[in-house]
Amino acid sequence: DQQVKQNSPSLSVQEGRISILNCDYTNSMFDYFLWYKKYPAEGPTFLISISSIKDKNEDGRFTVFLNKSAKHLSLHIVPSQPGDSAVYFCAATFSGWGKLQFGAGTQVVVTP
Amino acid sequence: GAGVSQSPSNKVTEKGKDVELRCDPISGHTALYWYRQRLGQGLEFLIYFQGNSAPDKSGLPSDRFSAERTGESVSTLTIQRTQQEDSAVYLCASSLVSGQSSGNTIYFGEGSWLTVV
Repeated sequence: DQQVKQNSPSLSVQEGRISILNCDYTNSMFDYFLWYKKYPAEGPTFLISISSIKDKNEDGRFTVFLNKSAKHLSLHIVPSQPGDSAVYFCAATFSGWGKLQFGAGTQVVVTP
Repeated sequence: GAGVSQSPSNKVTEKGKDVELRCDPISGHTALYWYRQRLGQGLEFLIYFQGNSAPDKSGLPSDRFSAERTGESVSTLTIQRTQQEDSAVYLCASSLVSGQSSGNTIYFGEGSWLTVV
């Protein structure tokens, strides 16, 4: 039962351009959404999050957009840098649930 | 270090053997989680502990899997009679309290890579 879906397994983008990663969810109880970044042989690290009471959250080069009616969120990275090359996981949870439901991840490759 | 520590980092075992994976959470973190990631897949929730509450075992895939936690410190994940489909990276994470919210980030360890041959 895949409640969080990342339908693009990979994304290639040129350095300096925008990276857009997409995520869809099915459980309407989810009210908090997160993006994690993972380098090879390392654990995932928290990147940015958004509560369902908002539709946008920015942190430096990273912006997350939430469309609750479409059950869709996206992560924008502007401008993309070579160090952004990693796997990005979308995750969701709801108050009191205590755990995160992850998507399958999107491999981002930023080319010079 | 101050992060989540896992051991062993790599383990190769024969099918049918038992394995134990260990996790040292960040000091003071009351919540501890186990996830696994099989090749080409996302992170799959296994179990989480919150203080003295009964653990949430809803993600354990079979009765061959069990986990314990000593107080609010070390946890061990045990897989009995390992099968090839158990091959994965097993990730431990901890947070101050359970649930991800603003100011309560879940921190992951580097994982224990298990290969069952």
